[in-house]
Amino acid sequence: DVKVTQSSRYLVKRTGEKVFLECVQDMDHENMFWYRQDPGLGLRLIYFSYDVKMKEKGDIPEGYSVSREKKERFSLILESASTNQTSMYLCASSPGQGNIQYFGAGTRLSVL
Amino acid sequence: GQSLEQPSEVTAVEGAIVQINCTYQTSGFYGLSWYQQHDGGAPTFLSYNGLDGLEETGRFSSFLSRSDSYGYLLLQELQMKDSASYFCAVRWMDSSYKLIFGSGTRLLVRP
Repeated sequence: DVKVTQSSRYLVKRTGEKVFLECVQDMDHENMFWYRQDPGLGLRLIYFSYDVKMKEKGDIPEGYSVSREKKERFSLILESASTNQTSMYLCASSPGQGNIQYFGAGTRLSVL
Repeated sequence: GQSLEQPSEVTAVEGAIVQINCTYQTSGFYGLSWYQQHDGGAPTFLSYNGLDGLEETGRFSSFLSRSDSYGYLLLQELQMKDSASYFCAVRWMDSSYKLIFGSGTRLLVRP
């Protein structure tokens, strides 16, 4: 079974803090993704990566950055957390030309 | 634009059959997939249609008709545990490896 592991289920941070969300997958997938999910807005893509050290902006990249130094790990960074970044963050991975994504359990981030 | 439309909510009775539609305007995509998400949980893959027609996986079936610009997920013999949100998704041919998700349909199964 594909396993996508997110480092935290719940996080509480203060405005202005730098926040790191970590995601690890164990299936040697080329592609990894970060989404945020908010009520009524569905899944919105923040960033994705199709190879080590490669990244592309998704639909809502503002206020976020990412890092992919190893194939299995994809990190989402909030440089200076703001209250409007309170959300559920979901990491996913897929194989090269895959049309199916496998999701982690999610991290519910609250920024106070 | 490249968007997928789904009903926001559907209610059905335990044991019944329910169909969740997903419509779109342009058909330049590789295939249509469906995901299930329970409250507080992560989306999990249910079904994929690369070609037109019906795909069956147990109680769940999915259908795609590119010429009619829609697909659907069919859930049979509904159980209480099927109460969840269901998302359709496509990978458009001009969007590299991204999946575009519909806004989701919340299914409530009543006893």
